[in-house]
Amino acid sequence: SAVISQKPSRDICQRGTSLTIQCQVDSQVTMMFWYRQQPGQSLTLIATANQGSEATYESGFVIDKFPISRPNLTFSTLTVSNMSPEDSSIYLCSVGSGGLNEQYFGPGTRLTVT
Amino acid sequence: AQSVTQLGSHVSVSEGALVLLRCNYSSSVPPYLFWYVQYPNQGLQLLLKYTSAATLVKGINGFEAEFKKSETSFHLTKPSAHMSDAAEYFCAVENRDDKIIFGKGTRLHILP
Repeated sequence: SAVISQKPSRDICQRGTSLTIQCQVDSQVTMMFWYRQQPGQSLTLIATANQGSEATYESGFVIDKFPISRPNLTFSTLTVSNMSPEDSSIYLCSVGSGGLNEQYFGPGTRLTVT
Repeated sequence: AQSVTQLGSHVSVSEGALVLLRCNYSSSVPPYLFWYVQYPNQGLQLLLKYTSAATLVKGINGFEAEFKKSETSFHLTKPSAHMSDAAEYFCAVENRDDKIIFGKGTRLHILP
């Protein structure tokens, strides 16, 4: 399995500002994903981070609000832009297992917007 | 579209009792199904997965799940609950784009 780290682990931000979350994997992976878990809710897929091309966003999520970078096969960032209290969530990155039909998850970034 | 439905947002069992967490899936093709566990303030950990090899799947920490096509179910069980099993459990299905769709989750409470 892959070892995934995220930075920061948590943050408290003011409305209107932006936060960039980093996801680092200990091995090269093709598929990386970003999820949001709102308080008391399940996980919702935000986008698939594609190496060398633009991310693929799910319905309800747009690039202007959640820009994603994927500069190489071990790293990705998610930015939460122009934050509002509704963006308070846990943001998780995950990676595919390359044919094993599994995903491995990072520890998450707990974001609180005041 | 593939989806999963978890019955019961909260389940309480006594320590030592049987754990049963229910999950039903909706899929037009043989699905890949998963159970994930999320301990407080932690990320998700894969408990087990079904990929059509065997209908009874054994996972970590003594959990297992049985795929029943006739009932479109993939319920998670553990014969004897332990206090350390208290967590949020998510049933999930993988769609054709390798994306995982999660159920709403069931919070398991263990009573002493």
